[in-house]
Amino acid sequence: GAVVSQHPSRVICKSGTSVKIECRSLDFQATTMFWYRQFPKQSLMLMATSNEGSKATYEQGVEKDKFLINHASLTLSTLTVTSAHPEDSSFYICSARDYRASGLNTDTQYFGPGTRLTVL
Amino acid sequence: KQEVTQIPAALSVPEGENLVLNCSFTDSAIYNLQWFRQDPGKGLTSLLLIQSSQREQTSGRLNASLDKSSGRSTLYIAASQPGDSATYLCAGQGGKLIFGQGTELSVKP
Repeated sequence: GAVVSQHPSRVICKSGTSVKIECRSLDFQATTMFWYRQFPKQSLMLMATSNEGSKATYEQGVEKDKFLINHASLTLSTLTVTSAHPEDSSFYICSARDYRASGLNTDTQYFGPGTRLTVL
Repeated sequence: KQEVTQIPAALSVPEGENLVLNCSFTDSAIYNLQWFRQDPGKGLTSLLLIQSSQREQTSGRLNASLDKSSGRSTLYIAASQPGDSATYLCAGQGGKLIFGQGTELSVKP
């Protein structure tokens, strides 16, 4: 089946530094990738939709300048948390959309294993 | 605005019991309903995907149903096992995935 990887799996950083998280589709091409954030005991909240070769679309309330998204190739999207603060500590999960299934209404998202960010 | 609600928030059952997890959504425009499993500190594993034209999907001991008219989906787990312990999330797809809060399931040996 389709596999999505994330790197790193865990990162601890000091307040004020920037952190980059990579999301890769390993055996398929993903024109669209999604970035989610999950706080403890809460559900996944969509942060942004990343389209290859174009600017990301951010959800309401998500700061574009703080969460920089780059989708430079069909298999890689990156999320950079700039000037991270303790309130940015969370579990970040990406997913990649696979259009190999026929028909738009059957498209499937495959999820990465997540990245645990802790900002001290 | 699409909202997805899951009931109960937590459930503890003895091993071997059959159980039902509930999911309700507000927007009938969704075209897929998906159930996921999430183990602590891990990513998501897709369990079942029900397209809007379908009423149910089955995989092993899992059966998921979808009733778009009432805005409800259920996940039925037969003969539960301790290894089923995890958080189960449902998500409605109408352009993007909207997740419910999840049901934390604990199956006691």
